[in-house]
Amino acid sequence: DGGITQSPKYLFRKEGQNVTLSCEQNLNHDAMYWYRQDPGQGLRLIYYSQIVNDFQKGDIAEGYSVSREKKESFPLTVTSAQKNPTAFYLCATSTAERIQETQYFGPGTRLLVL
Amino acid sequence: AQSVTQLGSHVSVSEGALVLLRCNYSSSVPPYLFWYVQYPNQGLQLLLKYTSAATLVKGINGFEAEFKKSETSFHLTKPSAHMSDAAEYFCAVTAAGNNRKLIWGLGTSLAVNP
Repeated sequence: DGGITQSPKYLFRKEGQNVTLSCEQNLNHDAMYWYRQDPGQGLRLIYYSQIVNDFQKGDIAEGYSVSREKKESFPLTVTSAQKNPTAFYLCATSTAERIQETQYFGPGTRLLVL
Repeated sequence: AQSVTQLGSHVSVSEGALVLLRCNYSSSVPPYLFWYVQYPNQGLQLLLKYTSAATLVKGINGFEAEFKKSETSFHLTKPSAHMSDAAEYFCAVTAAGNNRKLIWGLGTSLAVNP
């Protein structure tokens, strides 16, 4: 069953804690993306990766970190430096063949601060 | 650089009525344009995309959009709204030189009244 898996569905963070959101895909896509969604603000790009072992900052990378050690996986860590982490986080993938390729989205992780 | 403006953050229609969601873009190079739909607490799903072939693009669930270069628009329409169309709709643009990044509109929430 092909697709994008994000876990957990809900995640609670305590003050000063780092948390990691998982994104796994079996679509054999080269490119992966992390977006943050807040009400009324659309999608904002956090990080993206077009190939294993390489990634670039998006528009709001501060307070976040990523790794891309495997083609299938692109975990996002929300660090304690991110002071307002409450949001809906979406992972997406695409082939990297042409710029007009469709981005496919996972079901999302909702992060809440305790 | 590219940008996207979605006119109307909330649109309400009656079941069976025409759906019209507006999207205007700005791009100094030929754009590629996308419409995505998001149901509550879910990821985004591609409705349709314009990739410089036909200017009238047909998508899933009876939606279509027309690329009008002279008006820099890519409005989304559906002849007859169904209750299941209630969702958030996002317009996005990318173009050569954008490193495969999508530029997103802020979204339009569609309500369908019985």
